[in-house]
Amino acid sequence: NAGVTQTPKFQVLKTGQSMTLQCAQDMNHNSMYWYRQDPGMGLRLIYYSASEGTTDKGEVPNGYNVSRLNKREFSLRLESAAPSQTSVYFCASSESKKNIQYFGAGTRLSVL
Amino acid sequence: AQSVTQLGSHVSVSEGALVLLRCNYSSSVPPYLFWYVQYPNQGLQLLLKYTTGATLVKGINGFEAEFKKSETSFHLTKPSAHMSDAAEYFCAVSDRATNKLIFGTGTLLAVQP
Repeated sequence: NAGVTQTPKFQVLKTGQSMTLQCAQDMNHNSMYWYRQDPGMGLRLIYYSASEGTTDKGEVPNGYNVSRLNKREFSLRLESAAPSQTSVYFCASSESKKNIQYFGAGTRLSVL
Repeated sequence: AQSVTQLGSHVSVSEGALVLLRCNYSSSVPPYLFWYVQYPNQGLQLLLKYTTGATLVKGINGFEAEFKKSETSFHLTKPSAHMSDAAEYFCAVSDRATNKLIFGTGTLLAVQP
């Protein structure tokens, strides 16, 4: 049982480049989330998707876009990467009524 | 708006000593509260959660937390620290309507031999 799978695990970008972070879950969860983790700031919600076909902004959405491709997959796109987007990105999923979120292993992104 | 405050960004204990990690929350509605643990270079793993009912909640690896409404606290404890407990611990409060989690800034626990 893989749970939540994120790809890639590591990525280095130059300022202005674009990329998409992929996330897939095999637990048949309705809700999915993207967070970024920065030292001393905990995890901050970028976007979330309460169910297939819906997406909403979180605390720090600027510079990002998301796509809920189907129930399993939720991708995060950086259209024009900036050094301020250097971070560790986590995807999570949850079953709506149980409030427990399950996390992937993270993507470590450096923007030079 | 909901919020979480974790007191102490770094806590160091000796192996075998009591672990106490502090968490205070703010919520206008009865909260769901969580503790997650993050080992180096890994994602977050649920330690325990409080939703309703018994205010003393037991989790994995010998950890427990007590919900105290009057103190708006949800402190995490473990009677005897083990070297393998060294990790970062995050307290979180949940928005029941959206399942969104609001995280504290984390406490890095070091366990000295």
